[in-house]
Amino acid sequence: AQSVTQLGSHVSVSEGALVLLRCNYSSSVPPYLFWYVQYPNQGLQLLLKYTTGATLVKGINGFEAEFKKSETSFHLTKPSAHMSDAAEYFCAVSSSGGYQKVTFGTGTKLQVIP
Amino acid sequence: NAGVTQTPKFQVLKTGQSMTLQCAQDMNHNSMYWYRQDPGMGLRLIYYSASEGTTDKGEVPNGYNVSRLNKREFSLRLESAAPSQTSVYFCASSEVPGIANEQFFGPGTRLTVL
Repeated sequence: AQSVTQLGSHVSVSEGALVLLRCNYSSSVPPYLFWYVQYPNQGLQLLLKYTTGATLVKGINGFEAEFKKSETSFHLTKPSAHMSDAAEYFCAVSSSGGYQKVTFGTGTKLQVIP
Repeated sequence: NAGVTQTPKFQVLKTGQSMTLQCAQDMNHNSMYWYRQDPGMGLRLIYYSASEGTTDKGEVPNGYNVSRLNKREFSLRLESAAPSQTSVYFCASSEVPGIANEQFFGPGTRLTVL
């Protein structure tokens, strides 16, 4: 079984401040981890993903995430928030064999305050 | 290259009515998925099609049917709509049903059942 927990359904940061969105996962086998972003009235698009290898993963728009096996975490960060980062962010885990069963977290809405 | 397209964008139904949500992708992907998104619940998989000619139930299949018409198209049918099916529906596709593969999402269909 696999699951994802995103801490905080809403996060507010000031423009220029650090963005930290938290994600913890549960998986009985080595997981593949994803962060997706959803802008208002749009579908989800991939920000970054961890499969194997380097645990610090860089994505689009200056975001990065670090896979920490000991903490079962995959937190998303960005050093300096921009107004255009306001969106909903979803962490997802995939660890089942066969078809691609992806389990999504409940999402974190990021508000950027000018 | 339009990616994943969905029709309609919005729909209002009365309880008991039926409708079909259409989805098409032009990326020559093998796998296609239908999700529903509800506030505070993230995305939940309704049905998926790992390859042309196959379909399987996901997490919440009750009240829905699907058809993989060809490699490009995957439709979702509500035979007798209920208010509990009020949601935003997303279609997605991936190249192959591998657990590390990115899913590409359509813009969504917002469905209200009165």
